This record gives sequence, C-alpha cells and structure tokens, in this order.
Amino acid sequence: QVQLQESGPGLVKPSHTLSLTCTVSGDSITSGDFYWNWIRQPPGKGLEWIGNIYYNGNTNYNPSLRSRLTISLDMSKNQFSLRLTSATAADTAVYYCAIQGAAVRGAPLDVWGQGTTVTVSS
Amino acid sequence: QSVLTQPASVSGSPGQSITISCSGTSSDIGRYNYVSWYQQHPGQAPKLLIYDVNLPSGVSGRFSGSKSDNTAYLTISGLQAEDEADYFCSSYTTINTLVFGGGTQLTVL
Repeated sequence: QVQLQESGPGLVKPSHTLSLTCTVSGDSITSGDFYWNWIRQPPGKGLEWIGNIYYNGNTNYNPSLRSRLTISLDMSKNQFSLRLTSATAADTAVYYCAIQGAAVRGAPLDVWGQGTTVTVSS
Repeated sequence: QSVLTQPASVSGSPGQSITISCSGTSSDIGRYNYVSWYQQHPGQAPKLLIYDVNLPSGVSGRFSGSKSDNTAYLTISGLQAEDEADYFCSSYTTINTLVFGGGTQLTVL
C-alpha cells in the first residue's frame, strides 16, 4: 500500500517561492504505476488540483498556475516536489499530495497524504 | 470559483436518502465516465468514495454514483450520523487536467 507524506516550510513570505516535498513509501516513483499529484485547499474552501508528474518527467499543470509552477521528481529520495514562485496570500492553503493510477486515463486520486498547511505572510 | 458546480449544502434525517448534484460541461463530465466523489471530514484529508459507478473496497454500498449528460450525482441512502461531512466531485478533462466542484456540506439532522 502506497503511503504519502508532505513536508516543507509552514510559512512563506509574499513574493518568495513556495516549495514542498512528498515522500513516497510502498512503491517506487519510477515504477510507472502512478501519476504523482498535488492538490490544495484554501482555508474554508474547496479543493483545487495543482498538477501531476509521471515517472518519465511528463507533467500536467492547472492552467491557472502554469506560469508559476514546477513539479519535479527526485528519484534518489523517492520523492516528488512542488515549486510555486511569486507566492501571495491566495496561495495560503493545506497542500496535499496524492496518487492516481496510470493504467486508466482519468483514474481517481485514491491515496492521499495527510496534508501540510502553508501560510503566505510577512 | 470552482469549475464544477455543487450545491453548498444539503441536509437529511437519519435513514433518509439524499442526492448531491455536480454540474460540468461537455469538456469534462459530459465527455468521459471519469467522475470521482470524495468525502472529507473536518481536519482530515479527502477520501475516495466513488469512481464512475465503482466503490473502492471498504466503502459502504449506501453510496452510489450516476451521470446524465453534463451532470453527475452522488446518492447516499439510509443516512447515518457518520455521513455528515463535506463531499467533492471531480472530473477528468479534455486537456488532461482534473477539476473539482466547490464542495457540498452534508448535515444529518
């Protein structure tokens, strides 16, 4: 069973880069079994899909975030990461990583991390 | 503003059935049978409830999903107190992205 754990700074200054890591256990990020996703949830609001990455480095991004967003893999640590530049208060949210099976297009997000809270404030 | 439209809240009494709608477009819900529903209790991560009409193992058969044109539906039968939570729909899109609804808060009276 795959398990996911988010980590990163809980406080980011405005205009700085928001960086988070998701550590994967129970499978290799190079297996090709899953797409590795990021999702966020602002306080008291709904879910927003951020983007995903496949083992070969192919990415899909939310068009509204694409200009500021990079999702990457660290195969040596079995992790994938999120970088969001020029952070603003609107980026304050709980950030989740989640897996999506690669065998079927449009597969659901069937395993989630517990989430990590990021606040953008000076 | 969320891409998929859900009612902000629904309520029902124990034992009753309720249905939550999720409206999209021909570029998402209407195009594919790739609608998912997630349940989220306060302070917890979302949990997959239904994918298309399929229930993951461990999910009660009281939950069911359906779709008509550009709208998906989640039905919960035999409401129980533990069903009180937020429910989110999600769909795959024609541009290889995922979109979510704004969420529906279910209150069990």
